[in-house]
Amino acid sequence: EDQVTQSPEALRLQEGESSSLNCSYTVSGLRGLFWYRQDPGKGPEFLFTLYSAGEEKEKERLKATLTKKESFLHITAPKPEDSATYLCAVRRGRRALTFGSGTRLQVQP
Amino acid sequence: GAVVSQHPSWVICKSGTSVKIECRSLDFQATTMFWYRQFPKQSLMLMATSNEGSKATYEQGVEKDKFLINHASLTLSTLTVTSAHPEDSSFYICSATSPTTGDSYEQYFGPGTRLTVT
Repeated sequence: EDQVTQSPEALRLQEGESSSLNCSYTVSGLRGLFWYRQDPGKGPEFLFTLYSAGEEKEKERLKATLTKKESFLHITAPKPEDSATYLCAVRRGRRALTFGSGTRLQVQP
Repeated sequence: GAVVSQHPSWVICKSGTSVKIECRSLDFQATTMFWYRQFPKQSLMLMATSNEGSKATYEQGVEKDKFLINHASLTLSTLTVTSAHPEDSSFYICSATSPTTGDSYEQYFGPGTRLTVT
């Protein structure tokens, strides 16, 4: 059974204070690890897809990395508008995504 | 591109009534659509997978007679919650995928529908 575990559950940062979110996964035949951002009352917004260990992708203040067992979402010099819940998900074959429970990030000015 | 819409964005209904939620892919043809449910401060849980023109595949523990899914066209899937009860109150989110989009297995999510059953 696919499993995705995210930590921490919640994170409070000061503006400009960089940090990392963790996503540990167990899946046979990984066909992609996904990061999404979700604002309250809205659907997930796609951020990144990673396919193989060693892969890295960047977008503005966010950088996602992938190993064989976990993925990190690094947030550099965050701003209050980065406050959201960040979801990690894995896909096996053509199946739907299996999501982690998310990390609620709050960035204070 | 790859926009998914849902209607309504929120709905309040009385216990025992039925509610239909629509999910549309606006600028691509969705061969497969997924329906998720999300309770407060929890993650998305897959309810069912629907392929255009065929019966939906439900996840274990999801009542197929209660959550009716129809995927009659390549741009529309509907979820009908029948005989709704307060415990069905949740945030329902659909996603769509198509081999015509850049990543053949990329999923694009709708904005969600908030259902409250009184």
